[in-house]
Amino acid sequence: SSELTQDPAVSVALGQTVRITCQGDSLRSYYASWYQQKPGQAPVLVIYGKNNRPSGIPDRFSGSSSGNTASLTITGAQAEDEADYYCNSRDSSGNLFGGGTKLTVL
Amino acid sequence: QVQLVQSGAEVKKPGASVKVSCKASGYTFTSYGISWVRQAPGQGLEWMGWISAYNGNTNYAQKLQGRVTMTTDTSTSTAYMELRSLRSDDTAVYYCARENSLLEQQPFDYWGQGTLVTVSS
Repeated sequence: SSELTQDPAVSVALGQTVRITCQGDSLRSYYASWYQQKPGQAPVLVIYGKNNRPSGIPDRFSGSSSGNTASLTITGAQAEDEADYYCNSRDSSGNLFGGGTKLTVL
Repeated sequence: QVQLVQSGAEVKKPGASVKVSCKASGYTFTSYGISWVRQAPGQGLEWMGWISAYNGNTNYAQKLQGRVTMTTDTSTSTAYMELRSLRSDDTAVYYCARENSLLEQQPFDYWGQGTLVTVSS
């Protein structure tokens, strides 16, 4: 079955740039969406499609894709960006989520 | 503003069923689909399935086929997810999320607050 693979944990110094990646065969056919989840809260959509941000999402968040890999980049990470990040894409039978990446801002 | 408000926490015994509701407001309910996503304690997100609020078509995750049923009541703008033959590993927070077909790749742009379902004897 299809799956999306993410690094379990990533850290970044305050104000620096971090890239969170997601790999999977479905990403050759579909763009990834990215969700931010803070403890005890529902996920929040931060990036969708080729590289689109919903209203209210800071422009330091951006998305990209190449081959079977999608990336979420945070340029100038802030303390409030510390959270779990999940990639998501369609596949032939429905939807998939990656296992999530815990981002720590140092 | 768009809101999805879910029903309250549930405690169920193994083998029982649970039905979680998700009441939508702030948009035309029948113009969007609803997906259900669950999250076991300390774990990641798992997509459970989708229902069209327009015509009731469904698509369930293969691992839940036969145990899950998703329905909608357009008169009250409410979506429901029923899970049967509950097991301890069904213990999770269950979310409903609006699937926005107007956006590229149809992301989940609004989420409910989550409903904790605990399965324990």
